[in-house]
Amino acid sequence: EIVLTQSPATLSLSPGERATLSCRASQSVGSYLAWYQQKPGQAPRLLIYDASNRATGIPARFSGSGSGTDFTLTISSLEPEDFAVYYCQQRNNWPPYTFGQGTKLEIK
Amino acid sequence: EVQLVESGGVVVQPGGSLRLSCTASGFTFDDYTMHWVRQAPGKGLEWVSLISWDGRSTYYADSVKGRFTISRDNSKNSLYLQMNSLRTEDTALYYCAKDSNRQQLVLVPDYWGQGTLVTVSS
Repeated sequence: EIVLTQSPATLSLSPGERATLSCRASQSVGSYLAWYQQKPGQAPRLLIYDASNRATGIPARFSGSGSGTDFTLTISSLEPEDFAVYYCQQRNNWPPYTFGQGTKLEIK
Repeated sequence: EVQLVESGGVVVQPGGSLRLSCTASGFTFDDYTMHWVRQAPGKGLEWVSLISWDGRSTYYADSVKGRFTISRDNSKNSLYLQMNSLRTEDTALYYCAKDSNRQQLVLVPDYWGQGTLVTVSS
């Protein structure tokens, strides 16, 4: 089973700042990595698939990069609605497909 | 608009059984692989099971294999999860989710329901 490790566990930033979230895989997942956003009391929302492709309706301030074992989700300029928990997910080696433990992005 | 509505979550005793349902609308249900993903209170996401668009292929996480059964009724646009021999560690919010591409096992859930809460407790 591939383990995804996200860092940091919590990221404290202010609106307008740039956010950089990391996801590291225990073995290569190629480009088969997705990112999800989850706000309190809500279902997860797909942001990025296959490492760098934005899902339908996702603003351009969200971007993904990386391949192999190291991936990054970048939010170029934080909006108030971006403060949430973010999860990465791999689908290269399954079953099972797996999620990271999450990074909480909080307002500083 | 894609909508997924889960139901069936209740409080059940350890060793008990439960059947979750998910009713889909807004897309051609029988074209898409469907997933169950759970989230224990205050914890992260865990994939549970998936079923192909035609129901011919099913997969399970090791933690539920042999206890849970996924199924679908394409005539009713419905997905199910039969949960037997429930354990306290099965306590979670169970989400139904739709895969992103037609007639493929892509494993990128792009739409999720709001979840149904299963509590296993004596």
